[in-house]
Amino acid sequence: AIQMTQSPSSLSASVGDRVTITCRASQGIRNDLGWYQQKPGKAPKLLIYDASNLQSGVPSRFSGSGSGTDFTLTISSLQPEDFATYYCLQDYNYPLTFGGGTKVEIK
Amino acid sequence: EVQLLESGGGLVQPGGSLRLSCAASGFTFSNYAMSWVRQAPGKGLEWVSTISGSGGSTNYADSVKGRFTISRDNSKNTLYLQMNSLRAEDTAVYYCAKVGTTVTTTGSFDYWGQGTLVTVSS
Repeated sequence: AIQMTQSPSSLSASVGDRVTITCRASQGIRNDLGWYQQKPGKAPKLLIYDASNLQSGVPSRFSGSGSGTDFTLTISSLQPEDFATYYCLQDYNYPLTFGGGTKVEIK
Repeated sequence: EVQLLESGGGLVQPGGSLRLSCAASGFTFSNYAMSWVRQAPGKGLEWVSTISGSGGSTNYADSVKGRFTISRDNSKNTLYLQMNSLRAEDTAVYYCAKVGTTVTTTGSFDYWGQGTLVTVSS
């Protein structure tokens, strides 16, 4: 199974900060990666698909990049509603595997 | 508007069985693969299973293979997860999720249900 290593596991940031989260795949997955946001007690929400495509309705401050094994989710200017846990998911092959998550907290 | 509504969760004893349902609306159900994803209390997300739009192709995580069965009834726009031989480590919120493309059974999950809690305990 493809292992997805996500870092950092948590971070503290202030409103307006630029935030970067990374995921590394244990083998190449082309651009078959999505990024999800989850708030406590809620279902995950798709932010980015195919590594760099912004899901409809998602604010443009979210962006994704990468291909192969290294991927990045960037929030250009952190907003109060962005404090949440973020996950990557490789959908290159089965079993689909998630990263361990990154909890973004208020500094 | 796409809606996914899970039901069927609850408390079950180890070794018992439970069937989850996910009622879908707002899209052509039979055109899309569907998946189950779970989240143990305080833990991360874990993919469980995926079924193709026709129902002819299924995939499972090793942790549930041989115990869980995914199925769908396209005439009722409903997805199912039959869970047998349940273990304490199956305790989790179970989400159904829609694959965002008709081209493949893999792909990002563009819509999720609200989740249903399964607790396996004596």
